[in-house]
Amino acid sequence: AQRVTQPEKLLSVFKGAPVELKCNYSYSGSPELFWYVQYSRQRLQLLLRHISRESIKGFTADLNKGETSFHLKKPFAQEEDSAMYYCALSGFGGANNLFFGTGTRLTVIP
Amino acid sequence: EAGVVQSPRYKIIEKKQPVAFWCNPISGHNTLYWYLQNLGQGPELLIRYENEEAVDDSQLPKDRFSAERLKGVDSTLKIQPAELGDSAVYLCAIPGQGKFFGPGTRLTVL
Repeated sequence: AQRVTQPEKLLSVFKGAPVELKCNYSYSGSPELFWYVQYSRQRLQLLLRHISRESIKGFTADLNKGETSFHLKKPFAQEEDSAMYYCALSGFGGANNLFFGTGTRLTVIP
Repeated sequence: EAGVVQSPRYKIIEKKQPVAFWCNPISGHNTLYWYLQNLGQGPELLIRYENEEAVDDSQLPKDRFSAERLKGVDSTLKIQPAELGDSAVYLCAIPGQGKFFGPGTRLTVL
């Protein structure tokens, strides 16, 4: 069965400090991993996906198949990064269902 | 913003009343999803449509929930009768780099 675990419900960091949001997963196969972000009063939107291997808004995430992790990192947090972050996985293929973690609320303290 | 339109954005009803949510994937995708997001949780799939056909409704509580997508374009999700535990955000989504989500309908059942 598939599962996405985000162990931290809340995470606070100071502006300019590094931030890491943890995500572990279990899936019988090769999953596609995503990070979604929801800013206050905005829709849930894609932040990045592991197959793109790109940096979005300074965030990166590396898929570690050995540790079944997909942690989200940013070297210097900004106040505008304060939001709800969800890790999600699916099988490959656009029609496959997305399975979400419970989310981590990041607060960046000025 | 193109993609998915949902209405209403907010709905407050008393328990045992019926309620309906509407979704229009204005970009015209064949695939459409309804997700449920409870407070403090990530979204969970309720139903997936391919055109008019519900191809995955295993998570839809069929005793009180129903959905339709008669012409394979917009879709309606209904709850009758609503219960207190149905208070949540109901999200509509289409495929797109994972999934592209609408703004959601926040339902409060009193």
